[in-house]
Amino acid sequence: AQSVAQPEDQVNVAEGNPLTVKCTYSVSGNPYLFWYVQYPNRGLQFLLKYITGDNLVKGSYGFEAEFNKSQTSFHLKKPSALVSDSALYFCAVRDNRDDKIIFGKGTRLHILP
Amino acid sequence: NAGVMQNPRHLVRRRGQEARLRCSPMKGHSHVYWYRQLPEEGLKFMVYLQKENIIDESGMPKERFSAEFPKEGPSILRIQQVVRGDSAAYFCASSIGGRGNTGELFFGEGSRLTVL
Repeated sequence: AQSVAQPEDQVNVAEGNPLTVKCTYSVSGNPYLFWYVQYPNRGLQFLLKYITGDNLVKGSYGFEAEFNKSQTSFHLKKPSALVSDSALYFCAVRDNRDDKIIFGKGTRLHILP
Repeated sequence: NAGVMQNPRHLVRRRGQEARLRCSPMKGHSHVYWYRQLPEEGLKFMVYLQKENIIDESGMPKERFSAEFPKEGPSILRIQQVVRGDSAAYFCASSIGGRGNTGELFFGEGSRLTVL
């Protein structure tokens, strides 16, 4: 069975600094990996995904994520944080052998002005 | 192209009543997922359906909870005899589905259930 771990409940970053939100995963087959963002009282919005190919994936709002197979990680990154990036971020994984998608517990990102 | 539509957005029930949450997927999407979100617990998978078929219900409580996705009409998550612990936000998401699908999920805005 697949699983996702987001080891940080909260990450605080000063505006303009680079940010990283960590994610590790476990699947039996090949992983499909996703990042989503949730703003207060809203549904989740897709940011980016890794299916195959280049390990560095670029997504919406200047975010990117790096797939590392040996470390089973898929950390979310952004070179320069904005206050408007403050939100709840979820990492998700799907085993390529079925369609069930499992989410991590989420990491709350606070960008400090 | 309308997104995933969930209703009601807010639902208040007394203990012992029934709650019915509806989800209309995006046009062209044949697969629906239901998740429950509680503070500090993240997003918990409940059930995954395609029309007239439950594919995976491993996250559904064994009692009081059921889900369906009929040939016509929205997917429905039904909670019978609600208890205070059922209070949560319930999110529906849809996808094109199928083994060849590598795509993302599209989420509704959620239904927030409060049990008094």
